[in-house]
Amino acid sequence: AAGVIQSPRHLIKEKRETATLKCYPIPRHDTVYWYQQGPGQDPQFLISFYEKMQSDKGSIPDRFSAQQFSDYHSELNMSSLELGDSALYFCASSLGRGSFPYNEQFFGPGTRLTVL
Amino acid sequence: KQEVTQIPAALSVPEGENLVLNCSFTDSAIYNLQWFRQDPGKGLTSLLLIQSSQREQTSGRLNASLDKSSGRSTLYIAASQPGDSATYLCAVKTSYDKVIFGPGTSLSVIP
Repeated sequence: AAGVIQSPRHLIKEKRETATLKCYPIPRHDTVYWYQQGPGQDPQFLISFYEKMQSDKGSIPDRFSAQQFSDYHSELNMSSLELGDSALYFCASSLGRGSFPYNEQFFGPGTRLTVL
Repeated sequence: KQEVTQIPAALSVPEGENLVLNCSFTDSAIYNLQWFRQDPGKGLTSLLLIQSSQREQTSGRLNASLDKSSGRSTLYIAASQPGDSATYLCAVKTSYDKVIFGPGTSLSVIP
C-alpha cells in the first residue's frame, strides 16, 4: 500500500538559509499535518491543512510557512534557519478531517534537517 | 491543556520477558490513542490505534488497553525479543487535527 512520501529525506543547511520540505500524502487523503521532533524530544504539532486550507496551528515559528496544493501535496517553507531548527520533520496524512475526527494519521518517514 | 506522560522513561529486560509500558493523559476528551515505535534516528511506526469507544486492541505479541475515564493506556509486549528494542511513544488525538505525543519509553531487550 502507498504510504506518505517526504522529500528530501536528509537536508543540510547553513544558518540564515531557507529550506523547503515536501510531503506527498497517501492517495485520496485530503488532510496533511506537520510535526517537528527535536533531538531527544517527542514530536510537536506544527500545522495542518484540510482541502488546501489551514485547519489548525500549533507551535510553528513565524519564520515557517506551509501550504497545501491542488494535488494535496504540502510544502513546509523555513526561512532564516537557526541551529535550533535542526530536527526530524514528520508529515502525516488522513482522510476526511471534517467528518471523521477519529481518523488515524499516517506518518511519513520524516525529513532530517541539520542546520550548521 | 492535555499532557501525556509515559512511565518508565527507560526499561531494560532480558529476552523472553513479558513487559508493560504505561501512558497517562490528563484530559479524557480524546478521539483515539495510538502507540508508535521509533528506532533511533528513524521514523514512526504505528503499532496499534485504539478509538475512544474501544477498550483494547491486539496485534501479534502486542496488546494495548485504554481506560479513558482514568486517563491511562498500557502497551503489553509478550515474549520480548531483542528486535523489540526501540523507543515506544503513545499519542492522543485531542482534536480534529492535533495529536499530542508522550515523551516515550526507551526499551532495551537484552539477548
